[in-house]
Amino acid sequence: AQSVTQLGSHVSVSEGALVLLRCNYSSSVPPYLFWYVQYPNQGLQLLLKYTSAATLVKGINGFEAEFKKSETSFHLTKPSAHMSDAAEYFCAVRNRDDKIIFGKGTRLHILP
Amino acid sequence: EPEVTQTPSHQVTQMGQEVILRCVPISNHLYFYWYRQILGQKVEFLVSFYNNEISEKSEIFDDQFSVERPDGSNFTLKIRSTKLEDSAMYFCASSEGGGRATDTQYFGPGTRLTVL
Repeated sequence: AQSVTQLGSHVSVSEGALVLLRCNYSSSVPPYLFWYVQYPNQGLQLLLKYTSAATLVKGINGFEAEFKKSETSFHLTKPSAHMSDAAEYFCAVRNRDDKIIFGKGTRLHILP
Repeated sequence: EPEVTQTPSHQVTQMGQEVILRCVPISNHLYFYWYRQILGQKVEFLVSFYNNEISEKSEIFDDQFSVERPDGSNFTLKIRSTKLEDSAMYFCASSEGGGRATDTQYFGPGTRLTVL
């Protein structure tokens, strides 16, 4: 069965510092992987997705993620955090069917 | 930019009452989904819908739940007799296709259902 594990329900970084949100997946077949962001009182917005093309995926707002099959990881990074990045981030996996399996989410706090 | 919309944003109901949550998917999309997020927990898949029928449903989606596309634009989730544990944020999503690598699911802002 597919699943994703997000390490850390809360992560705090200083403004301008590196953002690293961790995600590990479990899938019996090569997966499609996603990061979604949820700003307060808003829906889920797609940040980026991996669909078996390039292993380094660039998304919106300066975020990127690297698919590492050997580590079954798809960590999300951003070189320099902005205050506007404060939100909840969800890692998700999908196989060849259309159902998305979400992680529990990581709330990112940006410290001034 | 086209977006998925949901109404109402917040619904309060008494236990045992029926509720209908409404969604307007993106107009050229063919696949529709409902997910829910109980407070403090992960977003969970409920059901997918294509060509006027359910294509997949989770074990959460029992007989008290139903979905319908009553016209060309709306996609609804009905909970026949609400329970306290149905309190959650319900997200609608739609995609142009289903299962292909390029098919992105676009999510609405959610309806927060509170069952008293």
